[in-house]
Amino acid sequence: GIQVEQSPPDLILQEGANSTLRCNFSDSVNNLQWFHQNPWGQLINLFYIPSGTKQNGRLSATTVATERYSLLYISSSQTTDSGVYFCAVESWEGGSEKLVFGKGTKLTVNP
Amino acid sequence: SAVISQKPSRDICQRGTSLTIQCQVDSQVTMMFWYRQQPGQSLTLIATANQGSEATYESGFVIDKFPISRPNLTFSTLTVSNMSPEDSSIYLCSVRDVYTDTQYFGPGTRLTVL
Repeated sequence: GIQVEQSPPDLILQEGANSTLRCNFSDSVNNLQWFHQNPWGQLINLFYIPSGTKQNGRLSATTVATERYSLLYISSSQTTDSGVYFCAVESWEGGSEKLVFGKGTKLTVNP
Repeated sequence: SAVISQKPSRDICQRGTSLTIQCQVDSQVTMMFWYRQQPGQSLTLIATANQGSEATYESGFVIDKFPISRPNLTFSTLTVSNMSPEDSSIYLCSVRDVYTDTQYFGPGTRLTVL
């Protein structure tokens, strides 16, 4: 099945710093999404971005489908950005579509 | 975006018992998914639940252990049967918006098995 690798696994920042999270995937995809899981466990969908670039406030994402990677940029980080960021790609396996998640990047933003 | 609620939000259960988790969505959805997140781990798909048909289980998950019901387009339940401490996890309900392909998650059910 498709493999999803995220880097770095852990990231510690001071408030106000910028960061880039990376997601590599092993096969072509039609669906790629970024999620943020806050410290209370809630998963929030950040971007649906199978290709191209999107921006939402301080966050932006770029997917280069031909090279099989996606990047999530966080600018001027805040303590509320802490949590785990997951990349998930759609896999067609066994005749059904499903999202396959990477292992995540744990981000800690210190005041 | 869909608003998803789950009950219970958390529970502590004894080994050998069963727990049924409820998932309610504020709009009709075709596809609902159940995920498990073991402590410190990523999300793993348990099964896909479509209304009016049997759930489709992923490798490593079986209906006897995780029976699923999907009586209508806004509701589903997942039962964790004959629990052991290894079942301690967060269980998450999820739906897909068929128009945008965006996936949304419920708040999760934190299960601890003693």
